[in-house]
Amino acid sequence: DTAVSQTPKYLVTQMGNDKSIKCEQNLGHDTMYWYKQDSKKFLKIMFSYNNKELIINETVPNRFSPKSPDKAHLNLHINSLELGDSAVYFCASSQGKGKAFFGQGTRLTVV
Amino acid sequence: TQLLEQSPQFLSIQEGENLTVYCNSSSVFSSLQWYRQEPGEGPVLLVTVVTGGEVKKLKRLTFQFGDARKDSSLHITAAQPGDTGLYLCAALKSGSARQLTFGSGTQLTVLP
Repeated sequence: DTAVSQTPKYLVTQMGNDKSIKCEQNLGHDTMYWYKQDSKKFLKIMFSYNNKELIINETVPNRFSPKSPDKAHLNLHINSLELGDSAVYFCASSQGKGKAFFGQGTRLTVV
Repeated sequence: TQLLEQSPQFLSIQEGENLTVYCNSSSVFSSLQWYRQEPGEGPVLLVTVVTGGEVKKLKRLTFQFGDARKDSSLHITAAQPGDTGLYLCAALKSGSARQLTFGSGTQLTVLP
């Protein structure tokens, strides 16, 4: 079974659209994260959730909103997509400060 | 300005050669992690070092945490094509709850 799974793997959409990326972890971890990896492979944290509470919110546009229906899920919703949002988005989870497990990534292309 | 600077950014070597990748910062970290990322996949944790001066070995990979806990190195002996990938260091800042910051990455290519 996949520990951290995110869907879709690829997403191509037009500017101005609203889209969501889903993430689920079956590890029983208490913390989930969203990272953005740009074209230069730099990986930057966007959000993290612990026990359904947002504990870190980096300086990302408010067009991005994480939604956690339960401890095993952290979805990423993006409004009014822009060209600069094109990147690979990774979901991850960990138990406290322990080892982080990453999903396979969602390659978002905004055209 | 990157919190964690990795060098070199790109490295292409022949199979059998040795190499060292560096991860440097001006900040002190409670721990430091090394990840490897392959194309189309997420990063996978290789090792975590927590004590200044600590050395950990993972087969042909040797990881060292600096005495002052500000830097780290990854040494690979007799590199193989299977070692090809993006190597990322990441750290939790001292006193930080869960803010894992990644380095700029080193893209390693090992040619057969």
